[in-house]
Amino acid sequence: AQTVTQSQPEMSVQEAETVTLSCTYDTSESDYYLFWYKQPPSRQMILVIRQEAYKQQNATENRFSVNFQKAAKSFSLKISDSQLGDAAMYFCAYRNTNAGKSTFGDGTTLTVKP
Amino acid sequence: KAGVTQTPRYLIKTRGQQVTLSCSPISGHRSVSWYQQTPGQGLQFLFEYFSETQRNKGNFPGRFSGRQFSNSRSEMNVSTLELGDSALYLCASSLVAGAANEKLFFGSGTQLSVL
Repeated sequence: AQTVTQSQPEMSVQEAETVTLSCTYDTSESDYYLFWYKQPPSRQMILVIRQEAYKQQNATENRFSVNFQKAAKSFSLKISDSQLGDAAMYFCAYRNTNAGKSTFGDGTTLTVKP
Repeated sequence: KAGVTQTPRYLIKTRGQQVTLSCSPISGHRSVSWYQQTPGQGLQFLFEYFSETQRNKGNFPGRFSGRQFSNSRSEMNVSTLELGDSALYLCASSLVAGAANEKLFFGSGTQLSVL
């Protein structure tokens, strides 16, 4: 079974600074996708970024980028120029083609200090 | 386009009762999946429906069931409620099912409290 581990329950960052959230996963599959979702206090999960396992190039979406290390099964999220609106819980998720489910980590609560 | 709509937003029930939660996916989305979110267990997959058929089911007891209608709206039902069923229940929709790269669009959830 696939597992996703987020080792940082809480992180904080100063506004305009950069922060990196960690995620590791375990799988025997070769074809899969990895995602980062954001859950603000409104509770609605929002997709931040996704990465295909076959792509060497790290995905980037504006201020959000990932560091995908397939051999190490590591998938960290970097948030640059942090903004107050980035404060939320962030979930790392794994999904492969054969399963209809996404496997989520336990989440990291990010606080942004003004 | 309207987003994923879950009703009700909050629900309070007592042990032994049953509850039905509703989810309306984004227009055109045919896949709906359900997740249970608790502080202790995190996000746990409940089930996935596509074209009125359950495609996948998580490791939950038979008290948890669901269905999907021809308009893609989905309901989940929990019978004989237990205290441990208190959780945020999230619904997510996507265009199709079974594609690893599919983006999931989540609703705001139904917060169920069992007293």
